[in-house]
Amino acid sequence: DTGVSQNPRHKITKRGQNVTFRCDPISEHNRLYWYRQTLGQGPEFLTYFQNEAQLEKSRLLSDRFSAERPKGSFSTLEIQRTEQGDSAMYLCASSLAPHYEQYFGPGTRLTVT
Amino acid sequence: LAKTTQPISMDSYEGQEVNITCSHNNIATNDYITWYQQFPSQGPRFIIQGYKTKVTNEVASLFIPADRKSSTLSLPRVSLSDTAVYYCLVGDAGLNTGGFKTIFGAGTRLFVKA
Repeated sequence: DTGVSQNPRHKITKRGQNVTFRCDPISEHNRLYWYRQTLGQGPEFLTYFQNEAQLEKSRLLSDRFSAERPKGSFSTLEIQRTEQGDSAMYLCASSLAPHYEQYFGPGTRLTVT
Repeated sequence: LAKTTQPISMDSYEGQEVNITCSHNNIATNDYITWYQQFPSQGPRFIIQGYKTKVTNEVASLFIPADRKSSTLSLPRVSLSDTAVYYCLVGDAGLNTGGFKTIFGAGTRLFVKA
């Protein structure tokens, strides 16, 4: 197993466009997390799945953001009508309950112009 | 969720032991203390986790006093490659509720000099 993977690694888009990111967790991990990180700050929790169920959503996750994990394996994070403030690194992590340790992917860097 | 306070930055030299202290005065009974390391342009990497007393692994040690209101990450004999941001997290896995929320602060930027 090569760890958590995220695609694409970089995305440049124009304001108002929709973007979708994909996360492939470690295969046996049943928990999956999305975070957003801006320069100089720690990662901010966005949402969390246990298997296919989305169990936690941060208030940071506005109506323009949606996340899915349809079969309890990979997950997608979609941002609609992107704004310049959405520019950030989007990190995905996975873990195997009941263990707390989260394994992070390399992130997708989004730039909204 | 318990808030954590860490120094913004620390400097050290190669070969020295580095201790980074984190304050978490309102830690709850069910909370664990976890430390992550992050290099530029990479996701955070788990270092160590503990509940009380002392935990040691091949990378670091974690010291937690009896009142659990603080914790200290100890990195023995640091090298240049230990230059990174270190995050202290306090949280409950929510095993009973099925939820788990992870709160990262701004972290401590450790700079190791030759």
